[in-house]
Amino acid sequence: AQSVTQLDSQVPVFEEAPVELRCNYSSSVSVYLFWYVQYPNQGLQLLLKYLSGSTLVESINGFEAEFNKSQTSFHLRKPSVHISDTAEYFCAVSPSSNTGKLIFGQGTTLQVKP
Amino acid sequence: EAGVTQSPTHLIKTRGQQATLRCSPISGHTSVYWYQQALGLGLQFLLWYDEGEERNRGNFPPRFSGRQFPNYSSELNVNALELEDSALYLCASSRGQSDTQYFGPGTRLTVL
Repeated sequence: AQSVTQLDSQVPVFEEAPVELRCNYSSSVSVYLFWYVQYPNQGLQLLLKYLSGSTLVESINGFEAEFNKSQTSFHLRKPSVHISDTAEYFCAVSPSSNTGKLIFGQGTTLQVKP
Repeated sequence: EAGVTQSPTHLIKTRGQQATLRCSPISGHTSVYWYQQALGLGLQFLLWYDEGEERNRGNFPPRFSGRQFPNYSSELNVNALELEDSALYLCASSRGQSDTQYFGPGTRLTVL
């Protein structure tokens, strides 16, 4: 069975500092990997995804994540955060076989301080 | 392009009642998914509908059910509501069976 572990429940960071949100997964089959962001009282927004190809994927707002198959990780990074990045971030996996199911980590709350 | 829409935004029910939640997918998307986000339990997969058929369900009791209509919109029904059913229910849609899921804003269900 697949599972996702987000190693930090909360990450406080000052504005303009770099940040890394960690995600590890376990799976015996090939997976697709996703990061979603949830702002307060809102649904989930897709931030970026890895399906195949280049292991480094980027979002339009400066986040990037690298798929590391040997370490079964998909950590999310941003070199300089803004106050507006304050939100909860969810890592998710979907087996490449067709189950329709996303398996989510428990989420990491990113708190950006001025 | 309009996103996934859900109604109502908030729903308050009492124990034992039934709740009906609705979801309209992005135009052109045929698959609809339902997730429950309960406090302390994280995001849990509930149901997946594609082309009007239930394709998969998560580890939830049968009183959680739903359907998908010919226009691909979907309804989630929760019967015999329990206090523990209080949660944010998120609907997602995708273009195909293995495609990326895009989420709606959710329906917050409160069971008193």
